[in-house]
Amino acid sequence: KAGVTQTPRYLIKTRGQQVTLSCSPISGHRSVSWYQQTPGQGLQFLFEYFSETQRNKGNFPGRFSGRQFSNSRSEMNVSTLELGDSALYLCASSLAGSDEQFFGPGTRLTVL
Amino acid sequence: QKEVEQNSGPLSVPEGAIASLNCTYSDRVSQSFFWYRQYSGKSPELIMSIYSNGDKEDGRFTAQLNKASQYVSLLIRDSQPSDSATYLCAVKPLEYGNKLVFGAGTILRVKS
Repeated sequence: KAGVTQTPRYLIKTRGQQVTLSCSPISGHRSVSWYQQTPGQGLQFLFEYFSETQRNKGNFPGRFSGRQFSNSRSEMNVSTLELGDSALYLCASSLAGSDEQFFGPGTRLTVL
Repeated sequence: QKEVEQNSGPLSVPEGAIASLNCTYSDRVSQSFFWYRQYSGKSPELIMSIYSNGDKEDGRFTAQLNKASQYVSLLIRDSQPSDSATYLCAVKPLEYGNKLVFGAGTILRVKS
């Protein structure tokens, strides 16, 4: 069974731009969670989607948003990029009723 | 106080020894606990989940949970150089959805 896939794997943007990251969960998984990983703050929860609905949200500004489609694929968007948004963005999927999360390879975002 | 605390290490053990990784958490009502392994430049990989007090064994890995002490640990028997990685402890708080709260991780180095 294929794992979680994320595109693109690497991205370079400049301050003020916006970016959209994509995540395809493991087949059959309906929950998709997004995390930001930085050397200073570690792994931090952004939000989680299940059946196209946001179930939980972390403490990030409104510039960070997401959505989930009917096929469970998810996207996250960051608007008005700041230097501090440079990070590894990870998505993780899980089966309905399970809290075991499986991570994709991540998207490395660099903001210049 | 951080929600999930781990000693950042590095923890150095000789090949063949037992590596003991520890984690404490602050939310007493947390019910689900996970250990992830992250190699440098890679995404986290789920290696153990534990939900009940006591020990759970899977191959060379044993997770131990003590909810009264709010303590979870991971033992790696017969440590191999390939076990050298950062080990992340994650806790699922009693909230709706699949949010995980991660510790900062412990760097493990297994010397041959």
